[in-house]
Amino acid sequence: GQQLNQSPQSMFIQEGEDVSMNCTSSSIFNTWLWYKQDPGEGPVLLIALYKAGELTSNGRLTAQFGITRKDSFLNISASIPSDVGIYFCAGQLHDYKLSFGAGTTVTVRA
Amino acid sequence: NAGVTQTPKFRVLKTGQSMTLLCAQDMNHEYMYWYRQDPGMGLRLIHYSVGEGTTAKGEVPDGYNVSRLKKQNFLLGLESAAPSQTSVYFCASSYLGLAGGPTYEQYFGPGTRLTVT
Repeated sequence: GQQLNQSPQSMFIQEGEDVSMNCTSSSIFNTWLWYKQDPGEGPVLLIALYKAGELTSNGRLTAQFGITRKDSFLNISASIPSDVGIYFCAGQLHDYKLSFGAGTTVTVRA
Repeated sequence: NAGVTQTPKFRVLKTGQSMTLLCAQDMNHEYMYWYRQDPGMGLRLIHYSVGEGTTAKGEVPDGYNVSRLKKQNFLLGLESAAPSQTSVYFCASSYLGLAGGPTYEQYFGPGTRLTVT
């Protein structure tokens, strides 16, 4: 599959902070999606982006489809403890398949 | 609606044993997928199906077989398990979009944690 690079690999959040993560690829994609996975659960879709430049929000989450179609970012505003988990980006180039990034693990700072 | 369910949740196999993982969805979705998740590697597609009676290979199909005899079920088989198949397996489904293809918004089951010793 296509290589997607997610950064950072992991991050610590403090309640109330805004945090940001991104995903880049050497290939262009037609669709970008962001998923969140809680421990012991399957990934849950957060946001889907279908057009270059598109900016979409879902509550405190905002994601953008990069103009070059090779990147996407996800912002979480005013973090709360339940934001911990693993966030995955996924890109779709053609046919029915998605390519997934390795994930960004979000942990609460002690 | 239960969404996507997977059976079993956990399983331990010895090398060479066989087993079948069952995925069921009650959303009338056309497309179904099997992924494996390994630490630091994200999700990798094993096999997928674009409709009842059809299956196709994904990124890492070796050592696995699948069947989709009914629209709501997608089975993943391991004929002779190997330690390299220790992983968490996820099933997902997606529905037909207006343009006639999948919507790419895949809905995942809770996973099956498989250990092969």
